[in-house]
Amino acid sequence: VQLLQSGGGLVQPGGSLRLFCAASGFTFNSYSMSWVRQAAGKGLEWVSIISDDGTATYYADSVMGRFTISRDNSKKTVSLQMNSLRVEDTAIYYCASPRGGYCSGSSCHGQGFNSWGQGTLVTVSS
Amino acid sequence: DIHMTQSPSSLSASAGDRVIITCRASQSMSNYLSWYQHKPGTAPKLLIYAASSLESGVPSRFSGSASGTEFTLTIDSLQPVDFATYYCQQTYSTPWTFGQGTKVEVK
Repeated sequence: VQLLQSGGGLVQPGGSLRLFCAASGFTFNSYSMSWVRQAAGKGLEWVSIISDDGTATYYADSVMGRFTISRDNSKKTVSLQMNSLRVEDTAIYYCASPRGGYCSGSSCHGQGFNSWGQGTLVTVSS
Repeated sequence: DIHMTQSPSSLSASAGDRVIITCRASQSMSNYLSWYQHKPGTAPKLLIYAASSLESGVPSRFSGSASGTEFTLTIDSLQPVDFATYYCQQTYSTPWTFGQGTKVEVK
């Protein structure tokens, strides 16, 4: 199992950035996919999740309305479009795949992220 | 949202010690609780899922337990490689919240 991330970098406040995560080694379209971030000196923060078929998405309140998660099961990729970026969005972003679970109705249920990308740094600064 | 209260925020221990870290959930969440180890410059590593199931490849000195909304990670006989930050996470309902983390430092 491998999750290979790309994207990230330096962007000014109010700008946009897109992160990508390419998966291999597992049945991608059977698993939801998520993004987690960690700001310098802070703890882990869950950001977003998308269902296995891409029809359901969920977000942390801190990014709701600004970030959009999407996936392409034919290409085995998941992306995070980040708009209206703020200084406080500066963090290392990880894509992650849970070892199981499902999304239904207003929520997703899972059992831990057993696969992680290598992380990519997003810096929002003027 | 389910809030996870993790304690302690840090602790000092010696190799060979038993370490216990606790997470308390703000509401019932069945056993949808995972524990991670995180070292600087690396991705977090899943240790325990479903509150008490050991992830494949993780040493048996790590164990998890649950009692109602209180969850515990125990490290028996702490090894030098175990000095790291540990996080709990609930995956019962979105947002999948993490605890604040516990930094295990050398005494």
